[in-house]
Amino acid sequence: TQLLEQSPQFLSIQEGENLTVYCNSSSVFSSLQWYRQEPGEGPVLLVTVVTGGEVKKLKRLTFQFGDARKDSSLHITAAQPGDTGLYLCAGERGNKLVFGAGTILRVKS
Amino acid sequence: NAGVTQTPKFQVLKTGQSMTLQCAQDMNHEYMSWYRQDPGMGLRLIHYSVGAGITDQGEVPNGYNVSRSTTEDFPLRLLSAAPSQTSVYFCASSYAGQGIYEQYFGPGTRLTVT
Repeated sequence: TQLLEQSPQFLSIQEGENLTVYCNSSSVFSSLQWYRQEPGEGPVLLVTVVTGGEVKKLKRLTFQFGDARKDSSLHITAAQPGDTGLYLCAGERGNKLVFGAGTILRVKS
Repeated sequence: NAGVTQTPKFQVLKTGQSMTLQCAQDMNHEYMSWYRQDPGMGLRLIHYSVGAGITDQGEVPNGYNVSRSTTEDFPLRLLSAAPSQTSVYFCASSYAGQGIYEQYFGPGTRLTVT
């Protein structure tokens, strides 16, 4: 059982559509990070959220940390083919990061 | 600035063989870690280190050893390879302090154990 559950596991959409990826847990985290990974490469950090209820925007990407610091969401507006990749959430517990299983996003042109 | 480098990029081992996966970083990061990535399971922490001479176990440490004699290097040793260790291995580094900072990942080593 994953400590961090991501949904959906796979998402295939058309260019221009909006989407939301969810990252849920029954545990509280000190902070939560979102990474994006392309095939054959290591993950790259997109954002870190620290405060319950925090919302961060990165161009067309909006990240939210739940009030209780147990869950997070990533919303992409007007998705583009360049957004294609594996999106991973990771929660901080002590000196360790716990990763979700990831959401594979495919944006078709 | 090379960032985090890993060697080799690909490796095939027979069951029972041992090998060392190399990881080096040139960013003077105190925190280094090893993860394995398997389909549908995300990244799982194997071992980590908060500084030279200090290592600790992660979520899936069995069958792996690490050491941290310098700030730059954090090798991962497979003692006796098993097919269950077939995976993609990532090394990561970051600053250490209050909390976990941005992890910089290497390009990965794809290991197959037959």
